[in-house]
Amino acid sequence: EVRLVESGGGLVQPGGSLRLSCAASGFSLDDYAMHWVRQAPGQGLEWVAGISWNSDNIGYADSVKGRFTISRNNGKNSLYLQMNSLRPEDTALYYCAKDALLGGATFTYTIHVWGQGTTVTVS
Amino acid sequence: QSVLTQPPSVSAAPGQKVTISCSGSTSNIGNNYVSWYQQVPGKAPKLLVYDHNKRPSGIPDRFSASKSGTSATLGITGLQTGDEADYYCGTWDSNLLSWVFGGGTKLTVL
Repeated sequence: EVRLVESGGGLVQPGGSLRLSCAASGFSLDDYAMHWVRQAPGQGLEWVAGISWNSDNIGYADSVKGRFTISRNNGKNSLYLQMNSLRPEDTALYYCAKDALLGGATFTYTIHVWGQGTTVTVS
Repeated sequence: QSVLTQPPSVSAAPGQKVTISCSGSTSNIGNNYVSWYQQVPGKAPKLLVYDHNKRPSGIPDRFSASKSGTSATLGITGLQTGDEADYYCGTWDSNLLSWVFGGGTKLTVL
């Protein structure tokens, strides 16, 4: 069974930093691109960042570009999101998600399996 | 303001059919695969339909999708009370170089 478990969320002051982690199991992480998607309280879904299987291809939403960094360690079956210069509008539930395309060269295909999320509050 | 436009809510009776629309542009729906997600309150989104009307394992064929030009539609037949949820469309936007989602549609099964 594919399983994604996020951690690292919490309460942080504006301008602070947090590092989110996502532990993947039930599949070979290095076969798939991965995503971070967030959802502010009572709001819709917002894609944050994507990364190809080998980290050669990375993309960010304009709202986080220059402040957030996505990375992965396939050997540790883990995905990360380093968040710096946090703002109140970054407050959200952050989901780690696996792409559907085997091979993982691109994150433009389909966001497939989602974790349960970790909450980030900037206040 | 979402890049993709969905109706805020739809409703129908149990056993009936409902459709949810998603309108975009050539840079997103018009030239990329569309995915549809179901989100029950308090839960993570779940992929329902993707690509050219493909369903992940375990998703019943009551859920189907279509696309025409820059619009996409999710159809749900044989509505059940358990289908009450928020539904989102999503796709890659080749101009924004970002995934974009609709604002979500709340389905009520009366």
